[in-house]
Amino acid sequence: KNEVEQSPQNLTAQEGEFITINCSYSVGISALHWLQQHPGGGIVSLFMLSSGKKKHGRLIATINIQEKHSSLHITASHPRDSAVYICAVRIRTGNQFYFGTGTSLTVIP
Amino acid sequence: NAGVTQTPKFQVLKTGQSMTLQCAQDMNHEYMSWYRQDPGMGLRLIHYSVGAGITDQGEVPNGYNVSRSTTEDFPLRLLSAAPSQTSVYFCASRRSAYNEQFFGPGTRLTVL
Repeated sequence: KNEVEQSPQNLTAQEGEFITINCSYSVGISALHWLQQHPGGGIVSLFMLSSGKKKHGRLIATINIQEKHSSLHITASHPRDSAVYICAVRIRTGNQFYFGTGTSLTVIP
Repeated sequence: NAGVTQTPKFQVLKTGQSMTLQCAQDMNHEYMSWYRQDPGMGLRLIHYSVGAGITDQGEVPNGYNVSRSTTEDFPLRLLSAAPSQTSVYFCASRRSAYNEQFFGPGTRLTVL
């Protein structure tokens, strides 16, 4: 049983395209995180959301608590955006996170 | 600030050997966690700590021990390595339960 499901698993886009990655979860949460993992393996936090929408540069993250769904959008995609994007939720009761299996994004010049 | 550091970056063990994966953070974070990452699976929590002297088990604790004697350090011990423990291990820290996590660079462990 996966508490966090991401789609698609793999995504290839041409440079400049608008990209959407989806995350659905089945547990009660206090926050949702989007993470980025580059081929070298390092993981960085992009967003932490508990409601609404956040924007950093070309990245936009939204969350719908009622529908238990979040999306990560990348506008004007660039080859340097190529990475694995991971959705993680912090459960409401406790200190633990559940992680999705990640979406592997490749942006072709 | 160095952030979260992990050593070693790579390690090969034989079945039955023991070792300690080191994790340190210099951000004065109370919360620290150990995760393992396996192909086709999301990160899974092994053990976590909410402060010096306080640790608890996560989703996959068997075969691993932890201790937290200082705020900065959170070592992960493999008592008797098994091939099923071949994985990439990440340490993470955060200021409190409600903050973002900062991850270390990872340790790639192979158990033969």
